[in-house]
Amino acid sequence: NAGVTQTPKFQVLKTGQSMTLQCAQDMNHNSMYWYRQDPGMGLRLIYYSASEGTTDKGEVPNGYNVSRLNKREFSLRLESAAPSQTSVYFCASSEGLGTGELFFGEGSRLTVL
Amino acid sequence: AQSVSQHNHHVILSEAASLELGCNYSYGGTVNLFWYVQYPGQHLQLLLKYFSGDPLVKGIKGFEAEFIKSKFSFNLRKPSVQWSDTAEYFCAVLTGGGNKLTFGTGTQLKVEL
Repeated sequence: NAGVTQTPKFQVLKTGQSMTLQCAQDMNHNSMYWYRQDPGMGLRLIYYSASEGTTDKGEVPNGYNVSRLNKREFSLRLESAAPSQTSVYFCASSEGLGTGELFFGEGSRLTVL
Repeated sequence: AQSVSQHNHHVILSEAASLELGCNYSYGGTVNLFWYVQYPGQHLQLLLKYFSGDPLVKGIKGFEAEFIKSKFSFNLRKPSVQWSDTAEYFCAVLTGGGNKLTFGTGTQLKVEL
């Protein structure tokens, strides 16, 4: 079972470039999430989608946009990358909001020079 | 806003030693509590969870955690660690009616042979 799949796994960008992180889940989950993980700061929620067609801001949404393309896919876009966005990004999914039981992808390591 | 504190950032133990990782949260209402683990090179996965009932919950691989409401704590324990327990451990809290899981900053555990 694939679970939650993220692409790309590694990416290097220059300041000002744009890119999209892709995420897909095959568990028929309703809710999806994007987190970033930084040393000493744990995981912080960027955006989430309670269900297909809805998206909401998390704790650190500035500089990001998301699209819930369909029930399976939830993408994260950096329109103009900044060095502060250097991080490891995790996509996750759950059956619904409020379960707390998230299934994570393997992460995408992004470096912005 | 709720917060989660993990005071031990790095822990080094010898095999067979006992483990206790601290987790405290700041929220006065109903909470659901979780421990997630990230083994080297792998994605985060759920270790155990507390929703209600017996405050001592057991998870996978011999881990357990105790919810002490009066202390706002949910410490993770294991009587005898193994080398394979080397990983990063994250405490997380979902507040009553909340839609978002808030993570602590994580504890890096290294178990030496």
